[in-house]
Amino acid sequence: DAKTTQPPSMDCAEGRAANLPCNHSTISGNEYVYWYRQIHSQGPQYIIHGLKNNETNEMASLIITEDRKSSTLILPHATLRDTAVYYCIVRPLGRFGNEKLTFGTGTRLTIIP
Amino acid sequence: NAGVTQTPKFQVLKTGQSMTLQCAQDMNHNSMYWYRQDPGMGLRLIYYSASEGTTDKGEVPNGYNVSRLNKREFSLRLESAAPSQTSVYFCASRGLAGGPAKNIQYFGAGTRLSVL
Repeated sequence: DAKTTQPPSMDCAEGRAANLPCNHSTISGNEYVYWYRQIHSQGPQYIIHGLKNNETNEMASLIITEDRKSSTLILPHATLRDTAVYYCIVRPLGRFGNEKLTFGTGTRLTIIP
Repeated sequence: NAGVTQTPKFQVLKTGQSMTLQCAQDMNHNSMYWYRQDPGMGLRLIYYSASEGTTDKGEVPNGYNVSRLNKREFSLRLESAAPSQTSVYFCASRGLAGGPAKNIQYFGAGTRLSVL
């Protein structure tokens, strides 16, 4: 799997857009970028994934650079409930798809009132 | 739908005691996983089960055993607990969706285990 690098922590004012960067400069052509988050003491929660096009769902937007070496998760209007650790994971489409997810240490996002 | 349910939520053991962590999912998923998370660290895979009747080791299997009892249930057993096994344990499951959705896993709320 491609290695990912994320800043250890970030702050964002409530109501503003939170932009969380992830560097994955060794990503391969068949690898997707996934984002999960873990709210304190809870299990990780899937947010969004993408290959090379920008993606948006009800939770967030994912912007992947044209060279695919980095991406940004955007929470458009951050609320206090978005305070969590955010994990960027790069995974290929495995033959059986039962491979583990490798969670690094992620970015601890704190939303400030 | 309850999703992925883990029991118990909290447990304290003495060194050498045994216990089984239970996990059940009601999403008709084929694959199930057990992870552990130590303070300030990411999750590490202990064991996984790609389908009913099969189990495989993850990156930290020593000291643990698992049983895929049926499609719904996947249990994790500590035969002789050690202080190094103090951790938060998460169970997860994954459905049959193809393509990139293969890497979407759904997690339980966790079991907080302390071994004294």
